[in-house]
Amino acid sequence: GAVVSQHPSRVICKSGTSVKIECRSLDFQATTMFWYRQFPKKSLMLMATSNEGSKATYEQGVEKDKFLINHASLTLSTLTVTSAHPEDSSFYICSARDTGDGGEKLFFGSGTQLSVL
Amino acid sequence: GDSVTQMEGPVTLSEEAFLTINCTYTATGYPSLFWYVQYPGEGLQLLLKATKADDKGSNKGFEATYRKETTSFHLEKGSVQVSDSAVYFCALTSSGGYQKVTFGTGTKLQVIP
Repeated sequence: GAVVSQHPSRVICKSGTSVKIECRSLDFQATTMFWYRQFPKKSLMLMATSNEGSKATYEQGVEKDKFLINHASLTLSTLTVTSAHPEDSSFYICSARDTGDGGEKLFFGSGTQLSVL
Repeated sequence: GDSVTQMEGPVTLSEEAFLTINCTYTATGYPSLFWYVQYPGEGLQLLLKATKADDKGSNKGFEATYRKETTSFHLEKGSVQVSDSAVYFCALTSSGGYQKVTFGTGTKLQVIP
């Protein structure tokens, strides 16, 4: 079945550095990908919707200059956490929407645990 | 706005025990309801779904019925296995598509032999 690959699965970085997370759809083209963030014991919160070839749409309260999203191809979206700080430590997960044969489906990556020291 | 409330975990059961994970929701209109499962080290996978009231979603022995009168979508399985150990997320979309999915907090299930 369709698979979404997300890398890295875990990253530890120093405060002030930038971290890039990749999300790839492996056997389908995804014009739309989504980025979520999960705090411990909280729901997955939608951060932004990434549209291939256009600017991402951010949810209210999400800093677009802090969380840069690039969706330059139909199989790759990236989330860059710029100038990371300890409060950015969280679990980030992407999903990709497949609108091919068989109807609309949503596939998720395995997530990235970010720890900022 | 839309919200999903599911029971806190972790839930620990013995093999072959009956499982219920409660889920209630608040949404405008007529949402579609989902259960996703996340096995260790893997992404979320769709387990089952229901798109209208009184629909029953089922898969791999799991079932959930869309109850509009109680705004609930409880997940059940008659006899759990060790391989069912995972985190289960209840979710909904109001738009009818996957433009915006609202998730619950997830419930970790551990099944012991």
